[in-house]
Amino acid sequence: NAGVTQTPKFRVLKTGQSMTLLCAQDMNHEYMYWYRQDPGMGLRLIHYSVGEGTTAKGEVPDGYNVSRLKKQNFLLGLESAAPSQTSVYFCASSPVRQGNTEAFFGQGTRLTVV
Amino acid sequence: RKEVEQDPGPFNVPEGATVAFNCTYSNSASQSFFWYRQDCRKEPKLLMSVYSSGNEDGRFTAQLNRASQYISLLIRDSKLSDSATYLCVVNIANSGYALNFGKGTSLLVTP
Repeated sequence: NAGVTQTPKFRVLKTGQSMTLLCAQDMNHEYMYWYRQDPGMGLRLIHYSVGEGTTAKGEVPDGYNVSRLKKQNFLLGLESAAPSQTSVYFCASSPVRQGNTEAFFGQGTRLTVV
Repeated sequence: RKEVEQDPGPFNVPEGATVAFNCTYSNSASQSFFWYRQDCRKEPKLLMSVYSSGNEDGRFTAQLNRASQYISLLIRDSKLSDSATYLCVVNIANSGYALNFGKGTSLLVTP
């Protein structure tokens, strides 16, 4: 069972470069999320999607864009990477049942911007 | 002020000890409550959901007090394998049911 798969697992970017992080889930979940985790900050929500073709901003959306063209995929883009975007990025998906909405996480992408 | 507050620890306890973690949340619209576990350099994984009536899963007991906006996790008979960071998590409906995480409490169980 694949669950939630993130690609790539590691990446080093130079300041100003662009890249796209891919998240794929095979559980037919409607909701998908992108978080970043920094030391001492916990996980913070970047963007989320409540279904194919929809996206919305989370707590820390600046510098990122997202797209959900297919239900199973949620892409996170960095148009012009900055050192402040050095972080571990986690994608998650959820079936969203009323009252109890467990999220399933990918293994993370470790991004360093130099 | 962060919406979900936890004591960061670290908590260093011997094997067999009982340890309790506490958490408070600020948004009274929070609907669902969880404890997640995160091992070093790994993704968070659900440990257990938390219900108002309290719930138990083996050595783990979770409690929720909606009036005080307080969540707790009790681990009995600690094992070395319990060493991890424990994340208090809530969600609210108006952000796509996204999970709102505390910063986590670090637990180290020693022989």
